[in-house]
Amino acid sequence: KQEVTQIPAALSVPEGENLVLNCSFTDSAIYNLQWFRQDPGKGLTSLLLIQSSQREQTSGRLNASLDKSSGRSTLYIAASQPGDSATYLCAVDSGGGADGLTFGKGTHLIIQP
Amino acid sequence: ETGVTQSPTHLIKTRGQQVTLRCSSQSGHNTVSWYQQALGQGPQFIFQYYREEENGRGNFPPRFSGLQFPNYSSELNVNALELDDSALYLCASSLNWGDSTEAFFGQGTRLTVV
Repeated sequence: KQEVTQIPAALSVPEGENLVLNCSFTDSAIYNLQWFRQDPGKGLTSLLLIQSSQREQTSGRLNASLDKSSGRSTLYIAASQPGDSATYLCAVDSGGGADGLTFGKGTHLIIQP
Repeated sequence: ETGVTQSPTHLIKTRGQQVTLRCSSQSGHNTVSWYQQALGQGPQFIFQYYREEENGRGNFPPRFSGLQFPNYSSELNVNALELDDSALYLCASSLNWGDSTEAFFGQGTRLTVV
């Protein structure tokens, strides 16, 4: 059974800092890995999708990497802004649909102005 | 192109009642999946529908059931509501399923069971 762990559970940093969020998964046989952002009480916004054959994806100030063999992914946020404050969730697709996405519990990020 | 929309946004039900939640998938998407997110937790997979057939199910009892319609919209039905069913219910849509498939989520329905 796939399990996803996110470290740290919470993070508070001053505006302008670069930061790294970590995600690990137990079964390396994945189709893809997706990073999401969730604002309080809201739905999920897709940030980046990394296919199993890819090593990284970039979108603006965000960069996500994937190391399947070690079961790890990182989300790098450059020059953080107060608007980046949210919970960031990592999810893996291990079953091509049969198992849905397996999520971590998320990292609650606060960017101090 | 319209995104994923869910209704209602909030709902309060009494223990033992039944509830139906609705989801309209993003235009062109044929796959819909449902998730339950308890407070402070990551979403948990309930089930997935592909072209009107259930093709995957998580560890949820049979009182959680669903439908997908020819226009690919979907319903989640929960019978005999329990207090622990209180959660944010999320719907996601995608085009097929595979290594390049990106899931898009709606804003969720907040269900409170009292």
